[in-house]
Amino acid sequence: QSVLTQPPSASGTPGQRVTISCSGSSSNIGSNTVNWYQQLPGTAPKLLISSNNQRPSGVPDRFSGSKSGTSASLAISGLQSEDEADYYCAAWDDSLNGYVFGTGTKVTVL
Amino acid sequence: EVQLVQSGAEVKKPGESLRISCETSGYSFSSEWIGWVRQMPGKGLEWMGIIYPGDSDTRYSPSFQGQVTISADKSISTAYLQWSSLKASDTAMYYCARQYYDSSGHTLDYWGQGTLVTVSS
Repeated sequence: QSVLTQPPSASGTPGQRVTISCSGSSSNIGSNTVNWYQQLPGTAPKLLISSNNQRPSGVPDRFSGSKSGTSASLAISGLQSEDEADYYCAAWDDSLNGYVFGTGTKVTVL
Repeated sequence: EVQLVQSGAEVKKPGESLRISCETSGYSFSSEWIGWVRQMPGKGLEWMGIIYPGDSDTRYSPSFQGQVTISADKSISTAYLQWSSLKASDTAMYYCARQYYDSSGHTLDYWGQGTLVTVSS
């Protein structure tokens, strides 16, 4: 089972701001950087945010990430219909000596 | 341009063996970790393990240790995921991904398109 906990769903209307939380522990988020992945329906996951808050080339600046202690957050500002997807946080876990994913959050644009 | 291209969908019977592949290009295959991620139908992502092709150092998630084998062939820049005896519960989409590691930590920065494995009698 996942060691990083996310809310199962989040939603908003076009233009709104949506925030997704990711809760972990001292062995993962507390001591390592957090990445976020976007998985559009029927496609492979894509790196959205790396190293807590860095956007890879091509990722719109309305996506932003932050980390505090053993929790992290992904914010989507100016929500668009094409943002409907599943979002996963992830981090290295020093106790498990492996990479762990969050439970995933499905974002719906109303 | 970094690319990871996976082998095609497979339909197998319980007890059969299988090896799926992930052919890479656009970067130094021997110098970066590459791993596998499972996604069961309608479920989330699960990290299975990684291999460093340069020296074949391999790490597995405890959940997958002993269940699968990860390998790599440096000469053709290709990683593999292998089962010796498939079970119906192995039915899933499997993704390969480059696991980039630096002082900032671990990142799965490039992904393959996925290989669907269906195990059914």
